[in-house]
Amino acid sequence: DAGVTQSPTHLIKTRGQHVTLRCSPISGHKSVSWYQQVLGQGPQFIFQYYEKEERGRGNFPDRFSARQFPNYSSELNVNALLLGDSALYLCASSLQGVNTEAFFGQGTRLTVV
Amino acid sequence: AQSVTQLGSHVSVSEGALVLLRCNYSSSVPPYLFWYVQYPNQGLQLLLKYTTGATLVKGINGFEAEFKKSETSFHLTKPSAHMSDAAEYFCAVSVSGGSNYKLTFGKGTLLTVNP
Repeated sequence: DAGVTQSPTHLIKTRGQHVTLRCSPISGHKSVSWYQQVLGQGPQFIFQYYEKEERGRGNFPDRFSARQFPNYSSELNVNALLLGDSALYLCASSLQGVNTEAFFGQGTRLTVV
Repeated sequence: AQSVTQLGSHVSVSEGALVLLRCNYSSSVPPYLFWYVQYPNQGLQLLLKYTTGATLVKGINGFEAEFKKSETSFHLTKPSAHMSDAAEYFCAVSVSGGSNYKLTFGKGTLLTVNP
């Protein structure tokens, strides 16, 4: 069974650029959440989508946006990249909310130079 | 709002010794509690979770944790450490019912196992 897949696994961007990260949830899972993990810290919640609707948003600037598609895959977009956006971005899928067990992908390592 | 405090950013044990990783939480409503493990350059893997019912929860790889409401704690233990347990461990809290849309994580504890 395929787990949560994220692409790309690594990428390097320049300050001011835009980036799109992608996530495919486990088959049958309708909820996707995004987390940012800065080196040496725990993951910080960015967004949750369930049935294509935003259900939760963390304390991140408007440069961060996301959406969920009819097939339940999701994209995280970050505009006007800053050096501080360098982090591991994790996607988690679950049947409904995170209490129904969230399964994490391997993450996308974003480096902003 | 909920929060998690993990005491000790780095714990070092000898192979075969007891593993104890500490986690205290704050939540205004009954919490759901989780322990996740992260190996280098990997995502997070769920070790165990507490939702309701029995306060002693058993997870994978021989780990267990006990929910103590009076102490607002959810410490992770393993009787005998193995070299393969070396990893970073994260405690997380979510709220039960209603807006159970996010996990709030602690800062993590790096476990080192010495031969």
